[in-house]
Amino acid sequence: RKEVEQDPGPFNVPEGATVAFNCTYSNSASQSFFWYRQDCRKEPKLLMSVYSSGNEDGRFTAQLNRASQYISLLIRDSKLSDSATYLCVVTLNTGGFKTIFGAGTRLFVKA
Amino acid sequence: DAMVIQNPRYQVTQFGKPVTLSCSQTLNHNVMYWYQQKSSQAPKLLFHYYDKDFNNEADTPDNFQSRRPNTSFCFLDIRSPGLGDAAMYLCATSRDDRGIDGYTFGSGTRLTVV
Repeated sequence: RKEVEQDPGPFNVPEGATVAFNCTYSNSASQSFFWYRQDCRKEPKLLMSVYSSGNEDGRFTAQLNRASQYISLLIRDSKLSDSATYLCVVTLNTGGFKTIFGAGTRLFVKA
Repeated sequence: DAMVIQNPRYQVTQFGKPVTLSCSQTLNHNVMYWYQQKSSQAPKLLFHYYDKDFNNEADTPDNFQSRRPNTSFCFLDIRSPGLGDAAMYLCATSRDDRGIDGYTFGSGTRLTVV
């Protein structure tokens, strides 16, 4: 089982739609959680950290469920410019820190 | 703007010919990382430096080496590139290895091996 798993998609949605991605992690020592956005052939960029209480940044909402070991990203009112791959990232503390990237979920927003 | 800069953006090298990729940062971050990313895959950590301390991942081939001569610069040396080493190589930095603030990535170097 992979340490961080994501549905690869692609998710094809119309503009204005709401779309949600989930990411599961296997190690209970996971302590920091992030969503990154990666455009085609570009570098990953930090979209948002994910806090235990959940957090929102404009149209983006991130949630953490420690009991079930998953995080989610909700995008409301999708824009064409939201088309990208969304990477789930988890940092473990197992005596030393280790950051693990998911393979990403591809999103296509169509007009 | 403070940033992470990688050079070159695109690199073509011959099979078996050593190649060096460079990364510089103006963020004054303590940790610098090198990742390898192949198409539709997660970035794979090769190694990282915490200040001058080098940390190699167990599954990183000996063909890959790194140098960090000072806080600002870090280099990735591929001693004998094979066709399987063609990938995007990403440099990233973080303030510390807890990664609480997330990583800042450079724009990457896309390596082609011919």
